[in-house]
Amino acid sequence: AQSVAQPEDQVNVAEGNPLTVKCTYSVSGNPYLFWYVQYPNRGLQFLLKYITGDNLVKGSYGFEAEFNKSQTSFHLKKPSALVSDSALYFCAVRDGGTALIFGKGTTLSVSS
Amino acid sequence: GAGVSQSPSNKVTEKGKDVELRCDPISGHTALYWYRQSLGQGLEFLIYFQGNSAPDKSGLPSDRFSAERTGGSVSTLTIQRTQQEDSAVYLCASSLRPAGDTQYFGPGTRLTVL
Repeated sequence: AQSVAQPEDQVNVAEGNPLTVKCTYSVSGNPYLFWYVQYPNRGLQFLLKYITGDNLVKGSYGFEAEFNKSQTSFHLKKPSALVSDSALYFCAVRDGGTALIFGKGTTLSVSS
Repeated sequence: GAGVSQSPSNKVTEKGKDVELRCDPISGHTALYWYRQSLGQGLEFLIYFQGNSAPDKSGLPSDRFSAERTGGSVSTLTIQRTQQEDSAVYLCASSLRPAGDTQYFGPGTRLTVL
């Protein structure tokens, strides 16, 4: 069965430092991988996706993610965190089905 | 352009009442999805519509839940005889095509069942 794991409930980082939000997945076929961000009382905003091709995917707001097939990971990264990046981040996967399977979410807190 | 819109933004109802939640997808998007976000269960898929095909209802939690999509555009999610465990944020998303395409989400409807 498809599944997504976000092993950290919360990630704390100081402004200006690099950040990583971890995601691992389990699918039977080729994965389609997504990252979304959710600000308080808002819907989900798309950040980036991996379908095929280059393992390093660049997305919105300076975020990027690296697809690692051998480790079945798709970690979200940003070289320099901003206080405004503080939000709830979701990793999601599809393997040819229709629906997205979401991780439980990771709260990112960036301190000034 | 306009994104996915949902109404109402908040809905408070009494246990046992029926509710209807509305979703307007992005114009031209053929695929439409409903998800539910709750503290205990996280984000769960409910139902998927693609063009004129029969919907994928595999995520609906009970027969009290139903949805329709009229004219390939607007969708309504109906919950009959609401229960307190139905309290959640109901999110709608649409995509241009289904397979591998990005799903764009609306702001959600927060349902509270008293």
